[in-house]
Amino acid sequence: DIQMTQSPSSLSASVGDRVTITCQASQDISNYLNWYQQKPGKAPKLLIYDASNLETGVPSRFSGSGSGTDFTFTISSLQPEDIATYYCQQYDNLPYSFGQGTKLEIK
Amino acid sequence: QVQLQESGPGLVKPSQTLSLTCTVSGGSISSGSYYWSWIRQPAGKGLEWIGRIYTSGSTNYNPSLKSRVTISVDTSKNQFSLKLSSVTAADTAVYYCAREHRAAAGTLYYYYYMDVWGKGTTVTVSS
Repeated sequence: DIQMTQSPSSLSASVGDRVTITCQASQDISNYLNWYQQKPGKAPKLLIYDASNLETGVPSRFSGSGSGTDFTFTISSLQPEDIATYYCQQYDNLPYSFGQGTKLEIK
Repeated sequence: QVQLQESGPGLVKPSQTLSLTCTVSGGSISSGSYYWSWIRQPAGKGLEWIGRIYTSGSTNYNPSLKSRVTISVDTSKNQFSLKLSSVTAADTAVYYCAREHRAAAGTLYYYYYMDVWGKGTTVTVSS
C-alpha cells in the first residue's frame, strides 16, 4: 500500500498569512493526488484534484502543486473560514490512502 | 445537484454485521462515469477508504477489510450499501458514502476524485 505523510500535523497562522502543507508519497504517484478540506463535524470537501486542478467553486486562494512523491498545498491568504483539517489522498493505486491530516488553526 | 445520505443502525454489537445504506438523490446512480464509495473515520483520527462499487457491480475493497466487507448496489432504489461483518470496537467510526468521479482528461488519462459526500453516520460497536 502507498503511505501518505503530511507535514506539519498542525499549524497555527494568522489571517492573511500564506500557508503551506506538504504531502509525501511512499512511491511515485505521478499527479494522482487530491486535497480535501474537513471542517469539524462535517464531511470532507474536495478542493484540488490531480495535484493542481481547482475544483469548481473553490476559491482561487487555494492551490496545489507537485508530482512524483512530493506535493504542496497552499492557501495564499488565510481566511477565518479556512479553519479545518486538510487531507491529501492518492489515487495511483488501490487501496486509496489518505495522509494523516493537517489541522489548521488561527493564531 | 446530487446528494448522498447514509442510513443504518447507530449501534452494533460486537461480532455482528454492520449494515449501512447510502441513498442517492438528484441524479441516477446508473448515469455517468462514477464509482460509489465508502470511507470511515474513527473519532479524532484520519480517513480510511473502505471500498467502492461501479454501477456494473464491479467492486474494489481495501485489503485490510476485504474478508469482512461487501458493497452492493440497488439501481432500482438508487442506493448502494455496505456490510461489514464480525465487527469489533475498532470498527467504531463515522461512516461516509461518497461519489467518485472518473473524469476523462485526455487519451487514456483519467482523474479520480470524490466530489460528493454524504454527511456521515456514526456507528458505535458496543455490547
